[in-house]
Amino acid sequence: KQEVTQIPAALSVPEGENLVLNCSFTDSAIYNLQWFRQDPGKGLTSLLLIQSSQREQTSGRLNASLDKSSGRSTLYIAASQPGDSATYLCAVRPRRGNMLTFGGGTRLMVKP
Amino acid sequence: EAQVTQNPRYLITVTGKKLTVTCSQNMNHEYMSWYRQDPGLGLRQIYYSMNVEVTDKGDVPEGYKVSRKEKRNFPLILESPSPNQTSLYFCASSPQRGQINEQFFGPGTRLTVL
Repeated sequence: KQEVTQIPAALSVPEGENLVLNCSFTDSAIYNLQWFRQDPGKGLTSLLLIQSSQREQTSGRLNASLDKSSGRSTLYIAASQPGDSATYLCAVRPRRGNMLTFGGGTRLMVKP
Repeated sequence: EAQVTQNPRYLITVTGKKLTVTCSQNMNHEYMSWYRQDPGLGLRQIYYSMNVEVTDKGDVPEGYKVSRKEKRNFPLILESPSPNQTSLYFCASSPQRGQINEQFFGPGTRLTVL
């Protein structure tokens, strides 16, 4: 059964720092991997989706990479801002079926 | 605007009183699903639907029912809610494989069962 782990569980950084969030998964037979942002008490906003054949995706200050063979993905946030404070979740979709398996999330706080 | 909507957003009810949480998407997506989110357990899938009249169990289906009579709607039914179903519920949708299959999530429904 697929297991997804995110490290660290919480992270506090000063504004302006570049940071990396990690996501690892146990079964490399994935269809895609998706990074989400969740604000407290709110829904999930999709940030980036990487297909299994891709190595990375970029959107603005965000860059997500995927190393399927080692079961790892990273989300790189450049020049962090207080507005980036949220919980970041990664989720993998298997080759067969559609159920997303989520990691536990990384709670990020960016201090002004 | 492309979106997934859920109603109600907040609900407090009592044990055993049947309730339905509605979910609707306007993107003509084939695939829809329900998740619950609990502290320490993360997001877990309850049920999913590949298309109209096609539904299947996810990881935690006990105590829930769903139906998919129309493509846009996927209601979640709790026939006899219990306190352990107190949770934050999310509906999601995505296109079929072969397309950009990003999943879109609704805003969530916070359910409290007393």
